[in-house]
Amino acid sequence: NAGVTQTPKFQVLKTGQSMTLQCAQDMNHNSMYWYRQDPGMGLRLIYYSASEGTTDKGEVPNGYNVSRLNKREFSLRLESAAPSQTSVYFCASSQQGGRTFGSGTRLTVV
Amino acid sequence: GQQLNQSPQSMFIQEGEDVSMNCTSSSIFNTWLWYKQEPGEGPVLLIALYKAGELTSNGRLTAQFGITRKDSFLNISASIPSDVGIYFCAGELQGDSWGKLQFGAGTQVVVTP
Repeated sequence: NAGVTQTPKFQVLKTGQSMTLQCAQDMNHNSMYWYRQDPGMGLRLIYYSASEGTTDKGEVPNGYNVSRLNKREFSLRLESAAPSQTSVYFCASSQQGGRTFGSGTRLTVV
Repeated sequence: GQQLNQSPQSMFIQEGEDVSMNCTSSSIFNTWLWYKQEPGEGPVLLIALYKAGELTSNGRLTAQFGITRKDSFLNISASIPSDVGIYFCAGELQGDSWGKLQFGAGTQVVVTP
């Protein structure tokens, strides 16, 4: 099925460990995004990529890096995980207007 | 920080009842979007609004883009058990050339038989 695919679905990290969250879309969308979702706070934008080859900071970029590998793929990296990064992470893509979201990665940092 | 105020935070309703929720902001928006999120899934777009005053329906869902461009509401008529979930509003700020969305904190809807 067409859409946004995120891996992994669940991850537990120890403080200080690193990991990369993967995201791929097969809708030929130009723009891709990474959000985090915390209870009672809606979705907050971490980084976005308006088009292949460009990335920009969103609302809460500290502690994260991203790579727009090609038009399909946009990865999010935590270099040194902290408990404050415990959250559900969503990748999304769009051509214009509304975003299409993946099903999320639930990350726990202990 | 978050600029959208979404209310109510949660609603417990009986099957068959109508549901109404809204989002307000001090900022002017170009676009209002309404999403639904079910447990373990990402948000799914329900309705998109692009013009002030626009009223759009999607089945039992109706949403309106406020005349002032600072608010929007979503109504669900004759609720059914599968309407359970968290509903989010999202707005694209006027003057934002790229179109970053601001999200409300969500309204949790619980439907009892």
